[in-house]
Amino acid sequence: GQQLNQSPQSMFIQEGEDVSMNCTSSSIFNTWLWYKQDPGEGPVLLIALYKAGELTSNGRLTAQFGITRKDSFLNISASIPSDVGIYFCAGADTGRRALTFGSGTRLQVQP
Amino acid sequence: GAVVSQHPSRVICKSGTSVKIECRSLDFQATTMFWYRQFPKQSLMLMATSNEGSKATYEQGVEKDKFLINHASLTLSTLTVTSAHPEDSSFYICSARKRDRGTETQYFGPGTRLLVL
Repeated sequence: GQQLNQSPQSMFIQEGEDVSMNCTSSSIFNTWLWYKQDPGEGPVLLIALYKAGELTSNGRLTAQFGITRKDSFLNISASIPSDVGIYFCAGADTGRRALTFGSGTRLQVQP
Repeated sequence: GAVVSQHPSRVICKSGTSVKIECRSLDFQATTMFWYRQFPKQSLMLMATSNEGSKATYEQGVEKDKFLINHASLTLSTLTVTSAHPEDSSFYICSARKRDRGTETQYFGPGTRLLVL
Protein backbone atom coordinates (compact mmCIF):
# COMPACT_ATOMS: atom_id res chain seq x y z
CA GLY A 1 0.00 0.00 0.00
CA GLN A 2 0.89 3.64 -0.11
CA GLN A 3 3.32 4.95 2.45
CA LEU A 4 4.47 8.41 3.33
CA ASN A 5 7.81 8.91 5.01
CA GLN A 6 7.93 12.17 6.91
CA SER A 7 11.08 13.58 8.43
CA PRO A 8 12.32 14.63 10.82
CA GLN A 9 10.20 13.03 13.51
CA SER A 10 10.85 15.90 15.88
CA MET A 11 12.68 19.20 16.01
CA PHE A 12 13.67 21.48 18.86
CA ILE A 13 14.70 24.92 17.68
CA GLN A 14 15.25 28.43 18.93
CA GLU A 15 12.76 31.16 18.21
CA GLY A 16 13.65 32.95 15.00
CA GLU A 17 15.20 29.96 13.30
CA ASP A 18 13.95 28.54 10.03
CA VAL A 19 12.51 25.03 9.86
CA SER A 20 12.28 22.53 7.07
CA MET A 21 10.46 19.20 6.95
CA ASN A 22 9.67 16.87 4.09
CA CYS A 23 7.68 13.90 2.96
CA THR A 24 8.47 11.26 0.40
CA SER A 25 6.20 8.66 -1.07
CA SER A 26 6.62 5.31 -2.75
CA SER A 27 3.89 6.26 -5.20
CA ILE A 28 2.58 9.28 -7.05
CA PHE A 29 0.08 11.72 -5.54
CA ASN A 30 -2.00 14.34 -7.33
CA THR A 31 -2.47 16.50 -4.26
CA TRP A 32 -0.21 17.29 -1.33
CA LEU A 33 -1.57 18.89 1.81
CA TRP A 34 0.17 20.15 4.90
CA TYR A 35 -1.65 20.29 8.24
CA LYS A 36 -0.79 21.45 11.74
CA GLN A 37 -2.30 19.79 14.77
CA ASP A 38 -2.31 21.27 18.25
CA PRO A 39 -2.81 18.98 21.27
CA GLY A 40 -6.41 17.86 21.61
CA GLU A 41 -7.46 19.51 18.37
CA GLY A 42 -8.13 18.41 14.83
CA PRO A 43 -5.61 19.11 12.06
CA VAL A 44 -5.79 22.55 10.51
CA LEU A 45 -4.98 22.97 6.83
CA LEU A 46 -1.90 25.11 6.21
CA ILE A 47 -1.15 24.73 2.51
CA ALA A 48 -2.66 22.76 -0.37
CA LEU A 49 -0.65 21.85 -3.48
CA TYR A 50 -2.28 20.61 -6.66
CA LYS A 51 0.36 20.72 -9.41
CA ALA A 52 3.79 19.14 -9.72
CA GLY A 53 6.44 21.78 -9.19
CA GLU A 54 4.01 24.16 -7.51
CA LEU A 55 5.50 26.42 -4.85
CA THR A 56 3.00 28.05 -2.53
CA SER A 57 3.37 30.38 0.42
CA ASN A 58 1.09 31.18 3.33
CA GLY A 59 2.68 33.88 5.45
CA ARG A 60 5.88 32.47 6.89
CA LEU A 61 5.12 29.03 5.48
CA THR A 62 6.26 27.81 2.08
CA ALA A 63 5.57 24.40 0.58
CA GLN A 64 6.46 22.76 -2.70
CA PHE A 65 4.99 19.88 -4.66
CA GLY A 66 7.91 17.85 -6.01
CA ILE A 67 8.39 17.46 -9.75
CA THR A 68 8.27 13.69 -9.47
CA ARG A 69 4.95 13.97 -7.56
CA LYS A 70 6.43 11.71 -4.93
CA ASP A 71 7.64 14.32 -2.46
CA SER A 72 6.88 17.63 -0.83
CA PHE A 73 8.54 19.93 1.66
CA LEU A 74 7.34 22.56 4.10
CA ASN A 75 9.48 25.45 5.28
CA ILE A 76 8.70 27.73 8.20
CA SER A 77 10.72 30.91 8.37
CA ALA A 78 11.48 32.95 11.49
CA SER A 79 9.77 30.53 13.85
CA ILE A 80 7.76 31.81 16.80
CA PRO A 81 6.52 29.99 19.93
CA SER A 82 3.02 29.50 18.53
CA ASP A 83 4.48 27.38 15.74
CA VAL A 84 4.74 24.59 18.29
CA GLY A 85 2.70 21.56 17.31
CA ILE A 86 2.69 18.50 15.09
CA TYR A 87 2.89 18.98 11.36
CA PHE A 88 1.49 16.34 9.05
CA CYS A 89 1.87 15.92 5.34
CA ALA A 90 -0.90 14.16 3.47
CA GLY A 91 -1.24 12.95 -0.08
CA ALA A 92 -4.23 12.14 -2.21
CA ASP A 93 -4.56 10.51 -5.59
CA THR A 94 -7.48 10.32 -7.98
CA GLY A 95 -8.08 6.66 -7.37
CA ARG A 96 -8.34 6.82 -3.62
CA ARG A 97 -10.15 9.84 -2.21
CA ALA A 98 -8.99 9.35 1.34
CA LEU A 99 -5.75 10.96 2.42
CA THR A 100 -2.58 9.09 3.23
CA PHE A 101 -0.84 10.74 6.16
CA GLY A 102 2.77 11.03 7.11
CA SER A 103 3.81 10.11 10.62
CA GLY A 104 4.14 13.75 11.65
CA THR A 105 6.91 16.13 12.69
CA ARG A 106 6.75 17.38 16.26
CA LEU A 107 8.07 20.95 16.46
CA GLN A 108 9.13 22.64 19.66
CA VAL A 109 10.27 26.26 19.70
CA GLN A 110 12.34 27.65 22.53
CA PRO A 111 11.52 31.32 23.20
CA GLY B 1 -13.23 29.26 4.40
CA ALA B 2 -14.42 25.79 5.24
CA VAL B 3 -15.60 24.91 8.73
CA VAL B 4 -16.24 21.44 10.04
CA SER B 5 -17.71 20.90 13.47
CA GLN B 6 -17.93 17.84 15.67
CA HIS B 7 -20.14 17.09 18.61
CA PRO B 8 -19.54 16.22 21.34
CA SER B 9 -15.98 17.37 21.88
CA ARG B 10 -15.48 14.79 24.59
CA VAL B 11 -17.51 11.99 26.06
CA ILE B 12 -17.09 9.56 28.91
CA CYS B 13 -19.25 6.46 28.93
CA LYS B 14 -19.58 3.12 30.62
CA SER B 15 -18.47 -0.06 28.92
CA GLY B 16 -21.27 -1.57 26.85
CA THR B 17 -23.03 1.66 25.98
CA SER B 18 -23.25 3.24 22.53
CA VAL B 19 -21.93 6.66 21.66
CA LYS B 20 -22.90 8.82 18.68
CA ILE B 21 -20.54 11.43 17.25
CA GLU B 22 -21.75 14.04 14.77
CA CYS B 23 -19.69 15.67 12.03
CA ARG B 24 -21.06 18.70 10.19
CA SER B 25 -19.74 20.79 7.34
CA LEU B 26 -21.04 24.24 8.26
CA ASP B 27 -20.46 26.32 5.14
CA PHE B 28 -20.16 23.83 2.31
CA GLN B 29 -21.72 20.62 1.13
CA ALA B 30 -19.75 17.41 1.40
CA THR B 31 -20.76 14.32 -0.48
CA THR B 32 -17.85 12.54 1.12
CA MET B 33 -16.69 12.65 4.70
CA PHE B 34 -14.04 10.57 6.40
CA TRP B 35 -13.66 9.21 9.91
CA TYR B 36 -10.24 8.83 11.50
CA ARG B 37 -8.99 7.56 14.81
CA GLN B 38 -5.85 8.83 16.47
CA PHE B 39 -4.03 7.25 19.39
CA PRO B 40 -1.60 9.28 21.52
CA LYS B 41 1.53 10.38 19.70
CA GLN B 42 0.45 8.65 16.51
CA SER B 43 -0.74 9.77 13.13
CA LEU B 44 -4.33 9.67 11.94
CA MET B 45 -5.65 6.27 10.91
CA LEU B 46 -8.52 6.18 8.44
CA MET B 47 -11.46 4.13 9.66
CA ALA B 48 -14.04 4.62 6.96
CA THR B 49 -15.24 6.76 4.09
CA SER B 50 -18.76 8.09 4.46
CA ASN B 51 -20.70 8.71 1.26
CA GLU B 52 -23.94 10.68 1.22
CA GLY B 53 -26.87 8.46 0.39
CA SER B 54 -24.93 5.22 0.24
CA LYS B 55 -23.12 2.76 2.45
CA ALA B 56 -19.85 3.67 4.05
CA THR B 57 -16.61 2.05 2.94
CA TYR B 58 -14.60 0.63 5.81
CA GLU B 59 -10.87 0.14 6.01
CA GLN B 60 -9.46 -3.30 6.58
CA GLY B 61 -9.71 -4.31 10.20
CA VAL B 62 -12.48 -1.86 11.09
CA GLU B 63 -15.70 -3.60 12.14
CA LYS B 64 -18.64 -2.09 10.30
CA ASP B 65 -21.13 -3.47 12.81
CA LYS B 66 -19.29 -1.83 15.66
CA PHE B 67 -18.67 1.54 14.04
CA LEU B 68 -21.94 2.49 12.38
CA ILE B 69 -21.77 5.37 9.93
CA ASN B 70 -24.70 7.32 8.55
CA HIS B 71 -24.40 10.13 6.01
CA ALA B 72 -28.00 11.18 5.59
CA SER B 73 -27.41 14.68 4.25
CA LEU B 74 -24.75 16.68 2.43
CA THR B 75 -23.69 18.35 5.65
CA LEU B 76 -23.95 15.66 8.29
CA SER B 77 -22.27 12.34 8.96
CA THR B 78 -22.57 10.40 12.20
CA LEU B 79 -20.36 7.73 13.71
CA THR B 80 -21.89 5.47 16.35
CA VAL B 81 -19.58 3.36 18.46
CA THR B 82 -21.78 0.47 19.53
CA SER B 83 -21.20 -1.46 22.74
CA ALA B 84 -18.11 0.55 23.48
CA HIS B 85 -15.24 -1.00 25.40
CA PRO B 86 -12.15 0.55 27.01
CA GLU B 87 -10.03 -0.31 23.98
CA ASP B 88 -12.28 1.96 21.90
CA SER B 89 -11.07 4.94 23.91
CA SER B 90 -9.38 7.25 21.44
CA PHE B 91 -9.52 10.59 19.64
CA TYR B 92 -11.99 10.41 16.75
CA ILE B 93 -11.68 13.01 14.01
CA CYS B 94 -13.83 13.54 10.96
CA SER B 95 -13.01 15.37 7.78
CA ALA B 96 -15.14 16.66 4.93
CA ARG B 97 -14.08 16.86 1.33
CA LYS B 98 -14.67 20.18 -0.38
CA ARG B 99 -14.59 20.56 -4.13
CA ASP B 100 -13.74 23.97 -5.52
CA ARG B 101 -12.97 24.81 -9.14
CA GLY B 102 -11.56 21.44 -10.02
CA THR B 103 -9.57 20.94 -6.83
CA GLU B 104 -10.36 18.93 -3.75
CA THR B 105 -9.32 19.63 -0.19
CA GLN B 106 -10.16 17.98 3.10
CA TYR B 107 -11.03 20.00 6.17
CA PHE B 108 -11.01 18.45 9.60
CA GLY B 109 -13.28 18.76 12.58
CA PRO B 110 -11.88 19.54 16.04
CA GLY B 111 -12.12 15.92 17.14
CA THR B 112 -14.02 13.98 19.80
CA ARG B 113 -12.20 12.42 22.69
CA LEU B 114 -13.89 9.22 23.81
CA LEU B 115 -13.12 7.60 27.14
CA VAL B 116 -14.79 4.28 27.90
CA LEU B 117 -14.67 3.22 31.52
